[in-house]
Amino acid sequence: SQTIHQWPATLVQPVGSPLSLECTVEGTSNPNLYWYRQAAGRGLQLLFYSVGIGQISSEVPQNLSASRPQDRQFILSSKKLLLSDSGFYLCAWSGGTTTYEQYFGPGTRLTVT
Amino acid sequence: DQQVKQNSPSLSVQEGRISILNCDYTNSMFDYFLWYKKYPAEGPTFLISISSIKDKNEDGRFTVFLNKSAKHLSLHIVPSQPGDSAVYFCAASHFGNEKLTFGTGTRLTIIP
Repeated sequence: SQTIHQWPATLVQPVGSPLSLECTVEGTSNPNLYWYRQAAGRGLQLLFYSVGIGQISSEVPQNLSASRPQDRQFILSSKKLLLSDSGFYLCAWSGGTTTYEQYFGPGTRLTVT
Repeated sequence: DQQVKQNSPSLSVQEGRISILNCDYTNSMFDYFLWYKKYPAEGPTFLISISSIKDKNEDGRFTVFLNKSAKHLSLHIVPSQPGDSAVYFCAASHFGNEKLTFGTGTRLTIIP
């Protein structure tokens, strides 16, 4: 069966510091991968998605970036965090264009102080 | 432009009764619809989905109804249980689109 991992579970970072969140998927190959953010009391905002290694689509221009160095690894980064980057970050995977369902990881709670 | 709308931010239902969560969409290209359940500090969990070629899909206590002419779908939970208390998101997509468009969510509270 497929499993999706995210780490760390929680993170407190000062403004201006860098960020690296990692997501890995097991039990499937060539998944579509997604990064979402849920701000406090808000819905799910799609940040980035990837349909293959090195292929990244950005949905919201901001100071975040994403990379997919391996088939089942997706990384969310920032060089300098802003207070507005605080939120709950979720990674998800799907089986590609033949299936619509996305399956989410446990999430990372990021607090920028 | 909010293409998927959940107009009720919250809903309270007595335990054992029916919970009905509603979702409206504006994009006529959407042909697949999903419901997710989310507990605090956890990732959303996929619940049930429906293709536009159907108007109803059932899975245990959960039933999703789709009214294409009204661009409206609903999730029925019968009977409601305390563990159903969570935020429910509807989502939509269409063939060839790798993305889901999510609604803003409805917080369901089941009252014992």
